[in-house]
Amino acid sequence: DAKTTQPNSMESNEEEPVHLPCNHSTISGTDYIHWYRQLPSQGPEYVIHGLTSNVNNRMASLAIAEDRKSSTLILHRATLRDAAVYYCILNNNDMRFGAGTRLTVKP
Amino acid sequence: DGGITQSPKYLFRKEGQNVTLSCEQNLNHDAMYWYRQDPGQGLRLIYYSQIVNDFQKGDIAEGYSVSREKKESFPLTVTSAQKNPTAFYLCASSAPTGGSNEKLFFGSGTQLSVL
Repeated sequence: DAKTTQPNSMESNEEEPVHLPCNHSTISGTDYIHWYRQLPSQGPEYVIHGLTSNVNNRMASLAIAEDRKSSTLILHRATLRDAAVYYCILNNNDMRFGAGTRLTVKP
Repeated sequence: DGGITQSPKYLFRKEGQNVTLSCEQNLNHDAMYWYRQDPGQGLRLIYYSQIVNDFQKGDIAEGYSVSREKKESFPLTVTSAQKNPTAFYLCASSAPTGGSNEKLFFGSGTQLSVL
């Protein structure tokens, strides 16, 4: 079973920031936190990952709680193309996904 | 270009028939994975392989079989024992075993339907 918990759905307005939460209370010390997103009828694509420190890349930022039991994916300015299902997973040998969060972006 | 290729894009299965979904990667990745996705649902792990000639069952392995004879190939067979095979099947790979820092690369998927 997946080891992460995410809300089923979230909504955002275009060009506003979006904070997508993920709980992973059973995380082990060596588990990296990975985020992927999936557009309709496509395979998921990598977004960002981190271990302990906050991370930034061209797509998003990842904020990791000090106890590492939760994390937040931050899209700084949501666009219509960011509408997708976002998955938070703990990267270990079996790579199990949960149901993810379906993000709707309103114009 | 490097990547993961899944074929065919669409596949139809007759009742009682076994079908095989192809997954090939030229990324030199050791680990490969098969997932099943039902409409509106998340990904469920079927099988995974960390190294050639070795693989493990995921959460929903019943009715499926795999082989890993070559590093670049990880075919999935949907057997007649899988009574509800209609779904979107995704293959993925990642870099050498033990690197939890490594990200997954996904293929474009195969949509399997029952006639």
